Amino acid sequence: AQSVSQHNHHVILSEAASLELGCNYSYGGTVNLFWYVQYPGQHLQLLLKYFSGDPLVKGIKGFEAEFIKSKFSFNLRKPSVQWSDTAEYFCATFPSGGYNKLIFGAGTRLAVHP
Amino acid sequence: GAGVSQSPSNKVTEKGKDVELRCDPISGHTALYWYRQSLGQGLEFLIYFQGNSAPDKSGLPSDRFSAERTGGSVSTLTIQRTQQEDSAVYLCASSFISGGAEEQYFGPGTRLTVT
Repeated sequence: AQSVSQHNHHVILSEAASLELGCNYSYGGTVNLFWYVQYPGQHLQLLLKYFSGDPLVKGIKGFEAEFIKSKFSFNLRKPSVQWSDTAEYFCATFPSGGYNKLIFGAGTRLAVHP
Repeated sequence: GAGVSQSPSNKVTEKGKDVELRCDPISGHTALYWYRQSLGQGLEFLIYFQGNSAPDKSGLPSDRFSAERTGGSVSTLTIQRTQQEDSAVYLCASSFISGGAEEQYFGPGTRLTVT
């Protein structure tokens, strides 16, 4: 079955540090990958998505992710984090053969200290 | 425009009681999803509705859980005889299906606490 792994469960950074959150997916044919963010007390919202084309995807708030097929990875990056980036980040994908549910990783809690 | 709304935002219930959680999807979205977010389990898919098709109930954890979607819009998730392990945040999402993968828009969730 399709699965998504996020290896960093908690990340603590100082403002202006660079961020990279890991996401690995199991192979399942057509790849559709997402990064969602959940700010404290807010609902899940989409940061960026990859369906096809340019493997370097740019999202909102300065985030980007790179799809590397050979590594089954879709890591999230930001060159310089801000305190307001403190949130929980989820990588997600659709199962092979269907678009009817998202399979989420366990999430990574990011705390940015001023 | 209005996003996905859910009610109530918080629900505290006693073990053994039934609860109903409501979801209003974004107008025009044909697909509706329920997920559960709990400590130790992360985000789990529960059920999916798409138009007039039979719902995909493959994620429902037990027969105490059921959901319906009336008129292709509002959905209600019902949990009968609640148990403490049902405590979680229940999230609803909707999307516009155009034959392929689409972004899902999430509501704020209902935090259910079973005492």
